[in-house]
Amino acid sequence: GAGVSQSPRYKVAKRGQDVALRCDPISGHVSLFWYQQALGQGPEFLTYFQNEAQLDKSGLPSDRFFAERPEGSVSTLKIQRTQQEDSAVYLCASSFLTGTGELFFGEGSRLTVL
Amino acid sequence: DAKTTQPNSMESNEEEPVHLPCNHSTISGTDYIHWYRQLPSQGPEYVIHGLTSNVNNRMASLAIAEDRKSSTLILHRATLRDAAVYYCILNNAGNMLTFGGGTRLMVKP
Repeated sequence: GAGVSQSPRYKVAKRGQDVALRCDPISGHVSLFWYQQALGQGPEFLTYFQNEAQLDKSGLPSDRFFAERPEGSVSTLKIQRTQQEDSAVYLCASSFLTGTGELFFGEGSRLTVL
Repeated sequence: DAKTTQPNSMESNEEEPVHLPCNHSTISGTDYIHWYRQLPSQGPEYVIHGLTSNVNNRMASLAIAEDRKSSTLILHRATLRDAAVYYCILNNAGNMLTFGGGTRLMVKP
């Protein structure tokens, strides 16, 4: 498809398990962002890539969270030793360039940690 | 980052215009005003953005106050599909968007 694709759409993990969430941005988009959205809240910034370079990871809540984009296209957000407070929707967005342009969001991956 | 203030919720009747307000009294000269909306179980989608002048596109209009301390998103004829959370966001660096709580718009048939 032409949009941002995220997988899996839904993930249930037991506390302590590791999870990996994938984002396929729109082809040719240089910038890629990850956001976390708790129930009833607005999305909160996690991290930002320009091509393969992670330029900002100030929003990652702990060192259990790790993101990569090794070839400047697909990105993976990994959460180690999941906790119940990690339960949220994880949104990926991409844009052609940085600046004031439009961000295109995926539908998100809903993570539930039991 | 400069912050925005929006009402938590608003109601509208179908087929009527909707004016969604946003206050941003600490806006800087280089901040663009962006609006995104999020339909249920979807990611946010871009609606419109502007700097100083009013803007129109196929989805909505954006009216920006002369002093830029407030703006209004205008949906000219609300439909049931416009029911969503609308976010007003200031952006000057372009590196990320900082979302607030937004306004939940409910549209009554």
